[in-house]
Amino acid sequence: AQSVSQHNHHVILSEAASLELGCNYSYGGTVNLFWYVQYPGQHLQLLLKYFSGDPLVKGIKGFEAEFIKSKFSFNLRKPSVQWSDTAEYFCAVYSGTYKYIFGTGTRLKVLA
Amino acid sequence: DSGVTQTPKHLITATGQRVTLRCSPRSGDLSVYWYQQSLDQGLQFLIQYYNGEERAKGNILERFSAQQFPDLHSELNLSSLELGDSALYFCASSRDSLTGELFFGEGSRLTVL
Repeated sequence: AQSVSQHNHHVILSEAASLELGCNYSYGGTVNLFWYVQYPGQHLQLLLKYFSGDPLVKGIKGFEAEFIKSKFSFNLRKPSVQWSDTAEYFCAVYSGTYKYIFGTGTRLKVLA
Repeated sequence: DSGVTQTPKHLITATGQRVTLRCSPRSGDLSVYWYQQSLDQGLQFLIQYYNGEERAKGNILERFSAQQFPDLHSELNLSSLELGDSALYFCASSRDSLTGELFFGEGSRLTVL
């Protein structure tokens, strides 16, 4: 069965630090990949997505992610985090079986 | 505001009881997804409907059932509730059932005592 693994459950960074959140999936076929973010007290919203083409995708608020097919990974990055990036981040995979599978999430806390 | 409405926002009930959670998708969205979020369990996919028909099933217990009505709203029915069913239940909708972005509601928090 397809699955999504997020390696870090909790991350604490200081403002201006660089961020990289890991995401690996298990599915051998074509996939669509997503990162969603849930700010405190808010609903989940899309941060960025990859369907095809350039494996480096850019999303909102300065986030980007790189799809590495050989590693089944889709890591999220941001060069310099802000206090307002404090949130929970979810990686998700859609593999064409109508199942949209999410990882367990990473809670990021950014210290001002 | 995502445009997806879930009711109730909070629900407290007792073991053995039955509850119904309701979801109204964004206008024009035909797909509805249900997810369960428990502590440290992430978002567990339960079930998906597209235009009234069940499209995919995930880790949904037999005690749980769902349906999507002609007006496209969906209901998730949870019966014979157990303590372990306490969780946040999210509904999400999308324009199509294949590749698109999901739009999430704010969730229904169920507490089973």
